[in-house]
Amino acid sequence: AQSVTQLGSHVSVSEGALVLLRCNYSSSVPPYLFWYVQYPNQGLQLLLKYTSAATLVKGINGFEAEFKKSETSFHLTKPSAHMSDAAEYFCAVSSHNAGNMLTFGGGTRLMVKP
Amino acid sequence: EPEVTQTPSHQVTQMGQEVILRCVPISNHLYFYWYRQILGQKVEFLVSFYNNEISEKSEIFDDQFSVERPDGSNFTLKIRSTKLEDSAMYFCASSLGGGSASREQYFGPGTRLTVT
Repeated sequence: AQSVTQLGSHVSVSEGALVLLRCNYSSSVPPYLFWYVQYPNQGLQLLLKYTSAATLVKGINGFEAEFKKSETSFHLTKPSAHMSDAAEYFCAVSSHNAGNMLTFGGGTRLMVKP
Repeated sequence: EPEVTQTPSHQVTQMGQEVILRCVPISNHLYFYWYRQILGQKVEFLVSFYNNEISEKSEIFDDQFSVERPDGSNFTLKIRSTKLEDSAMYFCASSLGGGSASREQYFGPGTRLTVT
């Protein structure tokens, strides 16, 4: 079975500071990994995906994530936080032998202070 | 830009009533999904649908639930007899395919179901 753990249900950063949102996964086979963002009262928007090509993946809005197999991690980063980045972020995994279903982490709410 | 749409945005129903949640996936997508998120909990997979049949379902998706693609554009989730614990945000999603290049899922804005 696959699972996703997001360390830190709430993360607060100052505007302009580095954003680091942590995601660790467990999967018995090489996974596909995704980050989604949810703004208030909206659906889930795909930020980026890892599908076994380059381990450093760039997404929208200046976010990127690095797949580290040895650490079973897929942490999301952004060099400089903007007020508009305040939202909830979800890491998700699917695997080659588990169909297309996504297994989500618990989410991390990012707050950006002026 | 194409998007997944869902109606209604909010549905209030009484326990024991049937509800149908509606979704219009992105037009050229072939895989369709329902997920739910109970307040304060994780987003959970319910069911996936491909080629007019269920391809996967979770333990949550019991006999009270059914899905249908009644025409070429809509994808529906029916809950036959709602329970209080069915109160949640229900998300529809679609993906172009299932391979590595096309399996990313695009989500709708959700329908908030409140069972009283």
